[in-house]
Order: sequence, then C-alpha cells, then structure tokens
Amino acid sequence: GENVEQHPSTLSVQEGDSAVIKCTYSDSASNYFPWYKQELGKRPQLIIDIRSNVGEKKDQRIAVTLNKTAKHFSLHITETQPEDSAVYFCAASIETDKLIFGTGTRLQVFP
Amino acid sequence: KAGVTQTPRYLIKTRGQQVTLSCSPISGHRSVSWYQQTPGQGLQFLFEYFSETQRNKGNFPGRFSGRQFSNSRSEMNVSTLELGDSALYLCASSLDSYSNQPQHFGDGTRLSIL
Repeated sequence: GENVEQHPSTLSVQEGDSAVIKCTYSDSASNYFPWYKQELGKRPQLIIDIRSNVGEKKDQRIAVTLNKTAKHFSLHITETQPEDSAVYFCAASIETDKLIFGTGTRLQVFP
Repeated sequence: KAGVTQTPRYLIKTRGQQVTLSCSPISGHRSVSWYQQTPGQGLQFLFEYFSETQRNKGNFPGRFSGRQFSNSRSEMNVSTLELGDSALYLCASSLDSYSNQPQHFGDGTRLSIL
C-alpha cells in the first residue's frame, strides 16, 4: 500500500530563516498532497495543498513543490516566525479522502 | 460556517467496554473520514464514508466500525476496548469523496483506556 516518508523529524531554525520539510511517497498513482500544521493540543489545520497536475504552489510565506518523477514533495516556509512552531504533517491520497500521512516534523522557531 | 464538531471531547473507558464517537461535518460536506492519532503510530486512516457508504477502510481490526447517516453525520464504534486503543480520534470532512477536496479536521475525541 501507499507509504509516505517525511524528513526531518525535528527542525530548529532562527526566526527569519527558511525551513524546508521533505516527503516521499511510494504510489505513483497518488495525485493529491496536502500539508497540515498541528499546534500542541489542537486539530490539524490544512495550510496548503497541491495536485499532481501542478509543480508548485505558493501562499504568502508558504510554498509547496512537487516532483512526480522522483515521487517527492516539499514544504517551504520563508521568513519563519515563532508562531510557525508546530508539528507539520504531509499526506498523499489517490482520488479519495483516504489520506496517508507522514510521521510529522516538529518545527521550532527560536526568536 | 461551523467547523467539524466531535463529541465527546474526552472519554475514559475500561478494557472490554465499547465506545461510540460522533462527528458532525461542516454544513454541505458529504464525505467524512476518521483517523487515529497516537505518539507511536502517528496519524492513521480508519475509514471514509460518503453518501452513507463506506468507501475505504484502513488496516484496523473489525472491532473498529463506523457508519454515516443521511444528514452526513458519522459515528464510529470501538468494541472490546484494549489499552492500545487509547488515542486521539479525529474526524475530517470534505465536500465529496471523488475529487480530492480539502479535508478539514475536528478537535478530536481523546479516548483513554484504563
């Protein structure tokens, strides 16, 4: 079945620096790739998503890139702020709502 | 528009009991999915419902079951509870199940098994 690997598991950056989180998926039929941010004790919150017919998508300080050939996608956060500190999850799905999640990346942004 | 609502927020049960969790999707959303979140296993897909039909099921034992009603509200049931069932159970809803619509999560039900 589908498997999603996510790296790194923890990431510490200085405020204002950029952060990059990478995910690799196993099923080439995957065509939807959302990213969720989960703060401590809160629900996962969708922050950006990308479909397989698009190579890159940007929303203010957040961008996602997709390389279908290599079967990996990445989240890029620029000009990080302390409020960006959270656990970030990537996920993949094939035409349905069955999301296969990565193991999460704990991002810490130090002031 | 109200978000995804899950009840109850917290639940304490003992081994061998059964439990029912409820999820009300965002108004107009017809697809509901359930996930289990634990520190060790992360976020794992349980099942997905659309138009009262189960579309997908994850790799969980038959003790985990669910259903969806005509108003799109969903329930999941866990029978013969085990210590390992302690987890945060999250429900997510989307407009439909066929076109990769964004899924939005509820706050979850935290289930503790004693």
